[in-house]
Amino acid sequence: DTEVTQTPKHLVMGMTNKKSLKCEQHMGHRAMYWYKQKAKKPPELMFVYSYEKLSINESVPSRFSPECPNSSLLNLHLHALQPEDSALYLCASSQDRGRQPQHFGDGTRLSIL
Amino acid sequence: GQQVMQIPQYQHVQEGEDFTTYCNSSTTLSNIQWYKQRPGGHPVFLIQLVKSGEVKKQKRLTFQFGEAKKNSSLHITATQTTDVGTYFCAPHRDDKIIFGKGTRLHILP
Repeated sequence: DTEVTQTPKHLVMGMTNKKSLKCEQHMGHRAMYWYKQKAKKPPELMFVYSYEKLSINESVPSRFSPECPNSSLLNLHLHALQPEDSALYLCASSQDRGRQPQHFGDGTRLSIL
Repeated sequence: GQQVMQIPQYQHVQEGEDFTTYCNSSTTLSNIQWYKQRPGGHPVFLIQLVKSGEVKKQKRLTFQFGEAKKNSSLHITATQTTDVGTYFCAPHRDDKIIFGKGTRLHILP
């Protein structure tokens, strides 16, 4: 069982829809991450939050909007996505931004119609 | 930017045979992490290597960090069906980790 919980597990949406992915951890970790993973590819970093502040944005298109309401929660708001955005979206957390192991959630499998 | 190459891309082994995956960098690494992702699963942290020449063991898994801190390897002795998955090296830089392309391990019964 993972200690990082992501919802929903699956999401199908049209290109004009607005939806949100949610991530929650109760390990007291102060760094949280969003990754995108295409099939048979490695996870690609999208965003890093440290102490609830956005610290890294890997030049992600603005149709992806992250939010960190508190130290346990991380959201990814989606709007006007493209078919190529279909992927597994993984959330991870670590004790802090330093050399710490990252704990991943099971991911949200997103399909854009 | 930092270039990390992981080889091989795929490996098929008979159950009971050994397996090794290699991670090579063009630049010196401060540290490197290894993750395993089962089919349909999420990455799971295995180990972190920090010191030059470091060797760490976890049961049948042996992790090495090169003397020059430019390469690393993961060796599995006597593979089992539970070892199936993709093994990623993930060097750490600028407060983030960059995943290598991974080695996909298939076990033939």
